[in-house]
Amino acid sequence: EAQVTQNPRYLITVTGKKLTVTCSQNMNHEYMSWYRQDPGLGLRQIYYSMNVEVTDKGDVPEGYKVSRKEKRNFPLILESPSPNQTSLYFCASRLAGTSTDTQYFGPGTRLTVL
Amino acid sequence: AQSVTQPDIHITVSEGASLELRCNYSYGATPYLFWYVQSPGQGLQLLLKYFSGDTLVQGIKGFEAEFKRSQSSFNLRKPSVHWSDAAEYFCAVAAYNNNDMRFGAGTRLTVKP
Repeated sequence: EAQVTQNPRYLITVTGKKLTVTCSQNMNHEYMSWYRQDPGLGLRQIYYSMNVEVTDKGDVPEGYKVSRKEKRNFPLILESPSPNQTSLYFCASRLAGTSTDTQYFGPGTRLTVL
Repeated sequence: AQSVTQPDIHITVSEGASLELRCNYSYGATPYLFWYVQSPGQGLQLLLKYFSGDTLVQGIKGFEAEFKRSQSSFNLRKPSVHWSDAAEYFCAVAAYNNNDMRFGAGTRLTVKP
């Protein structure tokens, strides 16, 4: 089944404790991205990747890192999480970098930083 | 940069009634427009998209949307709502390369029995 998977689905952590949220897709998509969803703000893009070893900042990249060493994986790294990073995070992928391709979303990761 | 406004935060309709969710966009060129649905605890699923051509777009689950350039709108409609349509709906706008896809704040739909 074609899908985007994220792990963990739920995470509670404390300020400053490094964490990684994994994202994997099995559709051989070139483009992957991370969003955060906050009430009243919709989804905002954190980082995106056009292909392996090619990443770029979205609208809200501060406090986050990403890497794209393999085509299927695009982990989101919070080196020193803070409470304002408490949010619902979505990974997404699509075939390539053009608007005509449908973007597929993972199920989300709910992160709470205490 | 492009932006999207969804004026209604929350809408309640009765099952079987018609539905219209509003979306207004701001973009200097021809926009690429999308509607996504998010069921509780789920990721986003694409309902429909508009790139060019016929301004009335048909999507999945019986939804349709109409692009009106003069009103900068892309409203989502369904003639008869089902209880399973209760969810949050997001409108999004993108430029050609779609690296800068902007989402609206979402409209939560409640369906009364």
